[in-house]
Amino acid sequence: DGGITQSPKYLFRKEGQNVTLSCEQNLNHDAMYWYRQDPGQGLRLIYYSQIVNDFQKGDIAEGYSVSREKKESFPLTVTSAQKNPTAFYLCASSAALNTEAFFGQGTRLTVV
Amino acid sequence: AQTVTQSQPEMSVQEAETVTLSCTYDTSENNYYLFWYKQPPSRQMILVIRQEAYKQQNATENRFSVNFQKAAKSFSLKISDSQLGDTAMYFCAFNDYKLSFGAGTTVTVRA
Repeated sequence: DGGITQSPKYLFRKEGQNVTLSCEQNLNHDAMYWYRQDPGQGLRLIYYSQIVNDFQKGDIAEGYSVSREKKESFPLTVTSAQKNPTAFYLCASSAALNTEAFFGQGTRLTVV
Repeated sequence: AQTVTQSQPEMSVQEAETVTLSCTYDTSENNYYLFWYKQPPSRQMILVIRQEAYKQQNATENRFSVNFQKAAKSFSLKISDSQLGDTAMYFCAFNDYKLSFGAGTTVTVRA
């Protein structure tokens, strides 16, 4: 089945550690996105990518990093510089930057 | 930078009734897409409806329809014949090469 897979579903991190969230899609989409969602709030854009080896900062990129070495994959690293990383993270992809996005099921990150 | 504003944090509607959610956006672009997404308690994002800015005709999908006013930069969603399964958070989204979301409106359908 075509779709977007995020892993893991739940992730626990100790303070000071970097963690990487996985996002893979087999929809042959060019554009991919990472969002952060805090309880009861909307989605805030962290990073987005239009093509392989190219990505742009979103509205809240500080403390995060990404790579886009393959069309299917857009991993997000939450670094120790991110002061409040506990949140729900959603990955999405779209055929082009101006079409509808399809979402993964999300990763719940908790700092312990 | 474009912004998307949803001014209604919460809405409550009786089953079978109609509810309208408001959304305004700001952009200097002429070609863009607008969407409404639904996020039920499972937190899975589900596309409800889409509207291309160059189309004057308002989009409809079964019980869901939009009122797109390009000059006013307004994009409201009407849910007709509300069902219990419509209970969710609804997000307005705007895409002109950077997909941005509003803060969301929590819709509760009462039996």
